Amino acid sequence: AQTVTQSQPEMSVQEAETVTLSCTYDTSESDYYLFWYKQPPSRQMILVIRQEAYKQQNATENRFSVNFQKAAKSFSLKISDSQLGDAAMYFCAYRSGNYGQNFVFGPGTRLSVLP
Amino acid sequence: NAGVTQTPKFQVLKTGQSMTLQCAQDMNHEYMSWYRQDPGMGLRLIHYSVGAGITDQGEVPNGYNVSRSTTEDFPLRLLSAAPSQTSVYFCASSYSDRGYSYNSPLHFGNGTRLTVT
Repeated sequence: AQTVTQSQPEMSVQEAETVTLSCTYDTSESDYYLFWYKQPPSRQMILVIRQEAYKQQNATENRFSVNFQKAAKSFSLKISDSQLGDAAMYFCAYRSGNYGQNFVFGPGTRLSVLP
Repeated sequence: NAGVTQTPKFQVLKTGQSMTLQCAQDMNHEYMSWYRQDPGMGLRLIHYSVGAGITDQGEVPNGYNVSRSTTEDFPLRLLSAAPSQTSVYFCASSYSDRGYSYNSPLHFGNGTRLTVT
């Protein structure tokens, strides 16, 4: 079974600075997809960014980018120019490319943004 | 766009009571799922469905039942509530084509905070 690990339960960053959230996963599959979700205090789950395992190029979405290291099974999220609205819980998630494709979520990293 | 509609937002039950959490989506998604979120444990899959009439167990299915009679609806039933079922519950759906979803993300409802006393 696949597992997702986020080794940083909590992190903080100064407003306008850059922060990187770590995520590692364990799988024997070659076809899979990786996601980062954000959960602000409103409890809503918001997709931040996604990456296909077959793509070597790292995904970017505005201030958010990933460092995808397939051999190391690492999928870190970099937030540039941090804003107060980035304060949230961040979840890394793995989705198999096989039939059924259930998501496996990491335990989350709580990010605080300091003014 | 309604997306995924989940009700109720909050619920308090006494031990032994039963209830149904409702979930409906209007995006014609084949794949639907229920998760529970507990502190420090992320989201854990309870049950999922890859299409109408097809359901299967996830990581933590005990104490919960589901059914999928239509593409739109995927209710979660708590048979006899226990304090261990105190949690936040999320319904989520995604695009799926004959069981394969590729890079389609999960679309989440707004969650239900359930307290069992």
